[in-house]
Amino acid sequence: TQLLEQSPQFLSIQEGENLTVYCNSSSVFSSLQWYRQEPGEGPVLLVTVVTGGEVKKLKRLTFQFGDARKDSSLHITAAQPGDTGLYLCAGMRSYNQGGKLIFGQGTELSVKP
Amino acid sequence: DAGVIQSPRHEVTEMGQEVTLRCKPISGHDYLFWYRQTMMRGLELLIYFNNNVPIDDSGMPEDRFSAKMPNASFSTLKIQPSEPRDSAVYFCASRGPYRSDGYTFGSGTRLTVV
Repeated sequence: TQLLEQSPQFLSIQEGENLTVYCNSSSVFSSLQWYRQEPGEGPVLLVTVVTGGEVKKLKRLTFQFGDARKDSSLHITAAQPGDTGLYLCAGMRSYNQGGKLIFGQGTELSVKP
Repeated sequence: DAGVIQSPRHEVTEMGQEVTLRCKPISGHDYLFWYRQTMMRGLELLIYFNNNVPIDDSGMPEDRFSAKMPNASFSTLKIQPSEPRDSAVYFCASRGPYRSDGYTFGSGTRLTVV
């Protein structure tokens, strides 16, 4: 059973299109992080969201944490081939668990020129 | 900073052999995590340490797996004996003292057990 469900699992789009990736759970998280992973490398942190309803922007990427802190979304505007990669959401259940992260299964994004 | 350093990058071994994966965390990071990544199961937490002490090893699949952190700059994950189903990419990650800090991952060790 996956605590964090990501959708879609695979996404193939043309350069310039917009897209949204979703990360959902029935559990509440104290914080949620998004990572991007390229082939042959480890995941790299993009953002951390902590407050319910929080919105953070990183250039063309917009991250939102749900009001109830059970879900999150990543929106990319005008996608570019350099955005290609595996996007992972990761949640921290509670601070007394030492900050261990539970990862979703990932969304594989391919942006074609 | 050189980041989290893992070795080897690739390991091919025969079933039944012992395998040792190594990790050097970022200096000053007091949390160290070992994850395993497969297509089927994604990223799974195996074990994590705080100040060199194992805190949660509930993700270690079975007694064939063991992990140590003898000092703040070195950790090992050992599989003995190895089995084909252990084939995966194993990642080490470290983190600073604040829970809002992100993990810094190494480049991983791709293990193939034949």
